Amino acid sequence: KQEVTQIPAALSVPEGENLVLNCSFTDSAIYNLQWFRQDPGKGLTSLLLIQSSQREQTSGRLNASLDKSSGRSTLYIAASQPGDSATYLCARKLTFGKGTKLSVIP
Amino acid sequence: NAGVTQTPKFQVLKTGQSMTLQCAQDMNHEYMSWYRQDPGMGLRLIHYSVGAGITDQGEVPNGYNVSRSTTEDFPLRLLSAAPSQTSVYFCASSPRWDSYQPQHFGDGTRLSIL
Repeated sequence: KQEVTQIPAALSVPEGENLVLNCSFTDSAIYNLQWFRQDPGKGLTSLLLIQSSQREQTSGRLNASLDKSSGRSTLYIAASQPGDSATYLCARKLTFGKGTKLSVIP
Repeated sequence: NAGVTQTPKFQVLKTGQSMTLQCAQDMNHEYMSWYRQDPGMGLRLIHYSVGAGITDQGEVPNGYNVSRSTTEDFPLRLLSAAPSQTSVYFCASSPRWDSYQPQHFGDGTRLSIL
C-alpha cells in the first residue's frame, strides 16, 4: 500500500523567508506527484503536478522537485508572504499525505 | 467552466437516514473520485470511477455506494448514516483515467450525523 508522509506537520516562518516542505513516498513505481494547497474550510487547489518523467516543476515563487530513487519530493516557496498561510498536501497515486500547516508571520 | 460542483455544501442527518451527495463536472473528465477528510486522518479515498459505467472501491468504501451512468455525474450514496460518517467529503476529477491523480476538487460537503 502506498504511503505518503509529510514532515513537518506544522511550520511557522517570518514573512520573506524561503522555505521547503517535504514529502516522502514508499512506492518507487512510475507515478506522477502533485502538490495542493488547502485554505481553512475550503477545497483543494492544485499547485504543481510533476509527471513521472520530470524532475521538477515551477510556477511563480513555487518550485517542486521529484526524486523517485529516494522516494522524495520537495516544495520550495520563495520569499514567503502571509497569503501563503495554508495547509499544503502532496499526493501520489490516489494517496495523500496529511499535510503541512504553514503559517507566515507578518 | 464551473469545474467540479458538489451539492449540498452542508447537511445534518440522523443516524439511519440515507442521502446522496451530488458531484458533477463539466470538463469531460474520465476520472472521478470521492474522498473523505477527517482530522488527523488526512484524505482517504472512498470510491473512484475511470469512466461511465465503471466504478471501484478505494480505501474506505464500507457504508457508501456509487454509480457512474454519465461522464458528468458521480453521486455518492450513504445507505444508512452512522456517526462515524461525520466528515467533510470531497469529489475530484482528472482528464485521464490512468493519471492516478485527482487534479480538480469541488468545495466539499460538510456532513454531520447525529
